[in-house]
Amino acid sequence: DQQVKQNSPSLSVQEGRISILNCDYTNSMFDYFLWYKKYPAEGPTFLISISSIKDKNEDGRFTVFLNKSAKHLSLHIVPSQPGDSAVYFCAASATSGTYKYIFGTGTRLKVLA
Amino acid sequence: NAGVTQTPKFRVLKTGQSMTLLCAQDMNHEYMYWYRQDPGMGLRLIHYSVGEGTTAKGEVPDGYNVSRLKKQNFLLGLESAAPSQTSVYFCASLREISAGETQYFGPGTRLLVL
Repeated sequence: DQQVKQNSPSLSVQEGRISILNCDYTNSMFDYFLWYKKYPAEGPTFLISISSIKDKNEDGRFTVFLNKSAKHLSLHIVPSQPGDSAVYFCAASATSGTYKYIFGTGTRLKVLA
Repeated sequence: NAGVTQTPKFRVLKTGQSMTLLCAQDMNHEYMYWYRQDPGMGLRLIHYSVGEGTTAKGEVPDGYNVSRLKKQNFLLGLESAAPSQTSVYFCASLREISAGETQYFGPGTRLLVL
């Protein structure tokens, strides 16, 4: 049972345009969501997060939107840069009663120069 | 401050051989995790620990054992390696489960089982 889903395995975007990566979840107990970025031959690194008490969190070129009623979150990158080319994982956790983050399958973003 | 380190970086095993992967963190984090990453499967949790001396099973624990004898170290053991265990293994640590906290990952161990 995949509790966190990233339905797009890959995405290509022109440099300077917006990249939108999507993530859906099924567990209504999840209240904290994160995006990680992963380059080849490296471990994932934290990018941005959002708590369920918010619907938007922004950090520079990166914005995460949360739609709790649809159980959907998205990561917007504006403007996209070639250095953003990586695999992006979304993750979710229920901060009470669990010690785990559940990860999606990842979306490979390629930003074309 | 090295963060999370993993040893070895790469290993080739024959079916049936055993090995131990070592994860070390210098951030005094309580929680530690072992994941495997396979194409199209994302990061799947193998085992985790919520403190020194504790371990618990994740999504895919079969064929693996773990130990956390010291707070800073989390060992992942394969007693009898199988080709299905060919994967990239990541260790992560976390201070606490709460909003604002994030896992820190090691660089990974690439394992090939022939």
